[in-house]
Amino acid sequence: GQQLNQSPQSMFIQEGEDVSMNCTSSSIFNTWLWYKQEPGEGPVLLIALYKAGELTSNGRLTAQFGITRKDSFLNISASIPSDVGIYFCAGQLNSGGSNYKLTFGKGTLLTVNP
Amino acid sequence: DAGVTQSPTHLIKTRGQQVTLRCSPISGHKSVSWYQQVLGQGPQFIFQYYEKEERGRGNFPDRFSARQFPNYSSELNVNALLLGDSALYLCASSPGFFNTEAFFGQGTRLTVV
Repeated sequence: GQQLNQSPQSMFIQEGEDVSMNCTSSSIFNTWLWYKQEPGEGPVLLIALYKAGELTSNGRLTAQFGITRKDSFLNISASIPSDVGIYFCAGQLNSGGSNYKLTFGKGTLLTVNP
Repeated sequence: DAGVTQSPTHLIKTRGQQVTLRCSPISGHKSVSWYQQVLGQGPQFIFQYYEKEERGRGNFPDRFSARQFPNYSSELNVNALLLGDSALYLCASSPGFFNTEAFFGQGTRLTVV
């Protein structure tokens, strides 16, 4: 099945550093979502973006919906050990028919060294 | 408020067997979707149900089926299990049809041996 191009695949950083990851698609989306998944758990919604160019923050997390509607990025500032996990982007078209499904990236594995 | 609950959490089945996975959405949510997550990959869409009707199906064989009950809970059935069906099966609920801001359960880990 289709998956979005998410990069980097993994990151190993020191506590306190900032993190940036992005997601690109060959097709447009009307909604971009960012999730975090920890071992043995389901994905947890972090940020939802609904409009091209939109910039939204949730605490130390900031995400933007790309102008072309084909990309999005997520930044984490001043990382802490509990930021460890796999971060997934997901896009949704919302145009009716069968396009309400979420299409996910393969994830970015984040490791934070205390 | 309770989140999305799935049962069982873990399951081991033999090839050729059938399995039923269950999901209870967040109270007030009418849409339930099912996703398959193979190790190292992002979730893949299997089904969406809204108001007890199938509203979408991903690229999965007919061995996969689902239904939604009047209380909006849902079951995913997989027949004639294959080794490749081993995965984490996730249920997501959302308030409305368009499935934005989907909230996921903890998943059912299915192992086929």
